[in-house]
Amino acid sequence: QKEVEQNSGPLSVPEGAIASLNCTYSDRVSQSFFWYRQYSGKSPELIMSIYSNGDKEDGRFTAQLNKASQYVSLLIRDSQPSDSATYLCAVNLYAGSARQLTFGSGTQLTVLP
Amino acid sequence: DVKVTQSSRYLVKRTGEKVFLECVQDMDHENMFWYRQDPGLGLRLIYFSYDVKMKEKGDIPEGYSVSREKKERFSLILESASTNQTSMYLCASSHRGNTIYFGEGSWLTVV
Repeated sequence: QKEVEQNSGPLSVPEGAIASLNCTYSDRVSQSFFWYRQYSGKSPELIMSIYSNGDKEDGRFTAQLNKASQYVSLLIRDSQPSDSATYLCAVNLYAGSARQLTFGSGTQLTVLP
Repeated sequence: DVKVTQSSRYLVKRTGEKVFLECVQDMDHENMFWYRQDPGLGLRLIYFSYDVKMKEKGDIPEGYSVSREKKERFSLILESASTNQTSMYLCASSHRGNTIYFGEGSWLTVV
């Protein structure tokens, strides 16, 4: 079974710290990787996508991809209480299929004021 | 802005009822999806569609069917609702190979 795995948490960090969220996936041929944020009671919203090995930065967010290790991570710098949410890792495990993304179960992040 | 609209946000249905969940997207996306989300189980794919009248089973299709008669509309049908189908249902859409956009979700309680 093709899988995407995340630590469920909860992960707590103090305000201003760096939050590090990790995700591993089972299929070496995966090409597309996404991080979604989901506030309680709301639907997921895309915050980052990454397709190539290395780092991709967008404001306070950095996605890191290592295809050889089948690992993708999300760093949130200068964490704010408004970053408190569940973060979902999503991977395209079915390249070429309309099925597209498989989601991890999410990591719950709490940023403490 | 991409808009995925789920018309029914909160529903309470009785066991055995037939339930329709409707979803409409306004971006001419080819792909549409139905997921359910439960605590500790994450997002699980029920069905998806890559074109009008085309559908494929996801990971948990049992007890569900879908209909896509028009490109913009994708319906999820619970033929005979059961209490274990109490959940949050998320519709989503995407252009081929691109980002998936979610609707606001439909909270279904089966009593």
